[in-house]
Amino acid sequence: QVQLVQSGAEVKKPGASVKVSCKASGYTFTGDYMHWVRQAPGQGLEWMGWINPSSGGTDYLQKFQGRVTMTRDTSISTAYMELTRLRSDDTAVYYCARGYYGGAFDVWGQGTVVTVSS
Amino acid sequence: EIVMTQSPATLSVSPGERATLSCRASQSVSSNLAWYQQKPGQAPRLLIYGASTRATGIPARFSGSGSGTEFTLTISSLQSEDLAVYYCHQYNNWPYTFGQGTKVEIK
Repeated sequence: QVQLVQSGAEVKKPGASVKVSCKASGYTFTGDYMHWVRQAPGQGLEWMGWINPSSGGTDYLQKFQGRVTMTRDTSISTAYMELTRLRSDDTAVYYCARGYYGGAFDVWGQGTVVTVSS
Repeated sequence: EIVMTQSPATLSVSPGERATLSCRASQSVSSNLAWYQQKPGQAPRLLIYGASTRATGIPARFSGSGSGTEFTLTISSLQSEDLAVYYCHQYNNWPYTFGQGTKVEIK
């Protein structure tokens, strides 16, 4: 079955970087965009950007421009999201999600908790 | 950026009753609108895409309607397992945006 499995929880200090991985299985990894969405504690969902696993092309929400980098390794069907210069308000659950049906997110990873604290 | 506004913020419904959730877009998103269900401690789950098409495995009591700027998610007969937060999501324009969510409580 189609599945996205993310890396484990991270605790980082302000100013550090974090890199979250998302391993895809059960479908052709290069066939569908991968999106990243985050959710701060008790808050709603915030779309961060996407990567086209086939070309490596990306698009990011403007507020993250210069701090986020989305990459992929097609040999192991894995997408990555790196966020730099972390701040306390980056504390959130980070999800990867497959874009399907024209852009809806049909499959989600289990989420990765990132805690930024001094 | 398209702003998605959901109402109400919280909805209390008795088991077996109908629940109606609304989502309004600040400009037309055509039918490029999805609904997700998120239970506590879980990732969101796709319920509806294309404004009205149920995703695989979604019970028939969930239905979506609307186009343009006004959308509705209806749960025809609320079950206890439907306790969750429901989000709408437009994927017509970058950046993609979500509504702030409607929390469905069991009365």
